[in-house]
Amino acid sequence: KAGVTQTPRYLIKTRGQQVTLSCSPISGHRSVSWYQQTPGQGLQFLFEYFSETQRNKGNFPGRFSGRQFSNSRSEMNVSTLELGDSALYLCASRGTGLHEQYFGPGTRLTVT
Amino acid sequence: KNEVEQSPQNLTAQEGEFITINCSYSVGISALHWLQQHPGGGIVSLFMLSSGKKKHGRLIATINIQEKHSSLHITASHPRDSAVYICAVRVGNYGGATNKLIFGTGTLLAVQP
Repeated sequence: KAGVTQTPRYLIKTRGQQVTLSCSPISGHRSVSWYQQTPGQGLQFLFEYFSETQRNKGNFPGRFSGRQFSNSRSEMNVSTLELGDSALYLCASRGTGLHEQYFGPGTRLTVT
Repeated sequence: KNEVEQSPQNLTAQEGEFITINCSYSVGISALHWLQQHPGGGIVSLFMLSSGKKKHGRLIATINIQEKHSSLHITASHPRDSAVYICAVRVGNYGGATNKLIFGTGTLLAVQP
């Protein structure tokens, strides 16, 4: 099976712009979670989608949003980018039930 | 106080040494994960534990639910083991609005030849 893929791998944006990141889960996985990793805060949970519905959300402002499509692919969007949004954004997928997560390679976003 | 604490934060070892990384947590969990992250790389899941002990090659993970503590051991360490090791706990009921992973800050391991 192919692993979790994320596009793009690297992205440079300017403060105030918006960005959309994409995640394709492992085939058959219906749950996709998104995480932000920064040197200062470490890894933090953004949100989880399951069957096109947001199941839970971390403590991030409303500028961070996401969605999931019927094929389980997911996108996350960050509007009005701030310098502090520079981070590695990781998505992970898992199968139904208490299964381990499989992480994608991440998208490194730099906001200038 | 963080809900997930790891120790040590940094660890340097000589090749062949036995290594232990510790993780303590203060919340109720349904599972605990040990993750590995190489510099600039993505994250690989090493273990998922809800009780007892698991072994994969030179890696061993244990968890004590009563003491809210887990350890990751690496036997016969090798320079290729150099990475950040992250402990993460799953909280909340499966499928519920609070179900999520909470991460420790990671342990940076350097194994010297």
